[in-house]
Amino acid sequence: QVQLLESGPGLVKPSETLSLTCVVSGDSMNINSWSWIRQSPGRGLEWLGYIYYSRSTNYNPSLKNRVSISVDTSKNHFSLELRSVTAADTAVYYCAGGVEWWYFDLWGRGTLVTVSS
Amino acid sequence: SSDLTQPPSVSVSPGQTATITCSGETLGKKYASWYQQRPGQSPVLVIYQDNKRPSGIPERFFGSKSGNTATLTISGTQAMDEADYYCQAWVISTVIFGGGTKLTVL
Repeated sequence: QVQLLESGPGLVKPSETLSLTCVVSGDSMNINSWSWIRQSPGRGLEWLGYIYYSRSTNYNPSLKNRVSISVDTSKNHFSLELRSVTAADTAVYYCAGGVEWWYFDLWGRGTLVTVSS
Repeated sequence: SSDLTQPPSVSVSPGQTATITCSGETLGKKYASWYQQRPGQSPVLVIYQDNKRPSGIPERFFGSKSGNTATLTISGTQAMDEADYYCQAWVISTVIFGGGTKLTVL
């Protein structure tokens, strides 16, 4: 059974870069798309982007080129970078995986990232 | 429009049928997926590609779509089904979520 686990700093200063990693354990051969999704406190879900078949990326246009997603298949993890963060980026960040990019079969536990000085 | 619209809340009595709708122009051409999120937990996929159920999801969860509206139906609703439910689709290649519906079983 595939499991996902996010890790990274829980506190990031404004204007700095938020960096998170998602470790993938188990047989993930059927998972072709790796994504990041966030949820602001008490609010809904917001898709940040995905990497598909380890090479094709697509990001939410609302993030205005602040986001990057990469994958390290040899180490079984994928990563998120969100640059120039503000308090509005405070959220629980989930990594997710799917057979296809248009739905999310698997979710990590989520990690809370607070942007504050 | 790139929005998916869901009712903020739905209430249902135990054993009855709960119906949650999701409306949006993109649903006329794109698949809908549904996620259940219990308090303090991660979302769980319950329906994908309009009406497919992942393994392990009870048969009481049923997805359908007509025109620009997707519907999640939960038959024989149980207390454990009380959760937030989110629909999801995409516009061009941007993934979008509905605002979520809080299902209360009372």
